[in-house]
Amino acid sequence: GAGVSQSPRYKVAKRGQDVALRCDPISGHVSLFWYQQALGQGPEFLTYFQNEAQLDKSGLPSDRFFAERPEGSVSTLKIQRTQQEDSAVYLCASSLSGDVNEQFFGPGTRLTVL
Amino acid sequence: TQLLEQSPQFLSIQEGENLTVYCNSSSVFSSLQWYRQEPGEGPVLLVTVVTGGEVKKLKRLTFQFGDARKDSSLHITAAQPGDTGLYLCAGARGTGANNLFFGTGTRLTVIP
Repeated sequence: GAGVSQSPRYKVAKRGQDVALRCDPISGHVSLFWYQQALGQGPEFLTYFQNEAQLDKSGLPSDRFFAERPEGSVSTLKIQRTQQEDSAVYLCASSLSGDVNEQFFGPGTRLTVL
Repeated sequence: TQLLEQSPQFLSIQEGENLTVYCNSSSVFSSLQWYRQEPGEGPVLLVTVVTGGEVKKLKRLTFQFGDARKDSSLHITAAQPGDTGLYLCAGARGTGANNLFFGTGTRLTVIP
């Protein structure tokens, strides 16, 4: 497809489990962003990659959150020892040049931690 | 705490009515965007404004960026059921910014 894709679309985890969320950006897009959107709220920035380099991870809420983009394309957001407050929609966006004003968003992964 | 506050949080109107959504902050933004998000989907960009006082029109939607670049408004004329969705404003702070600050969102329902 031509857009940003994310998988899985829905994930249910028991508290304490580790999860991995995948993002496939638009082909050729240099920059990739992860956001967390709690129920009824606007998205909040988590981290930003330019190619394989993670240039900003200031939004990651704790050291249980880890993101990688080893080959500058697909990215994975990993959450270790999930907690109930991690329940949210995790959105991925990509940008051709890194311009924040030209981000294309994926459909998100809805994570529910029981 | 989010930098951008939107009002109203919820809005339910009849088809054909006009409405305005506000996005306010005490911070200055180099650019501001409006998105619409439908259930189960990611936000879709509607418009980007970059100049204080700028007004952009997109069919029945009119967007305005405040003179001081701290606030914005979205006005919809003759709302239609297809306008139903979550409207989000988002701002970038400074040139070379690498993330957007999103507003709290306005959930609009247009009743046929």
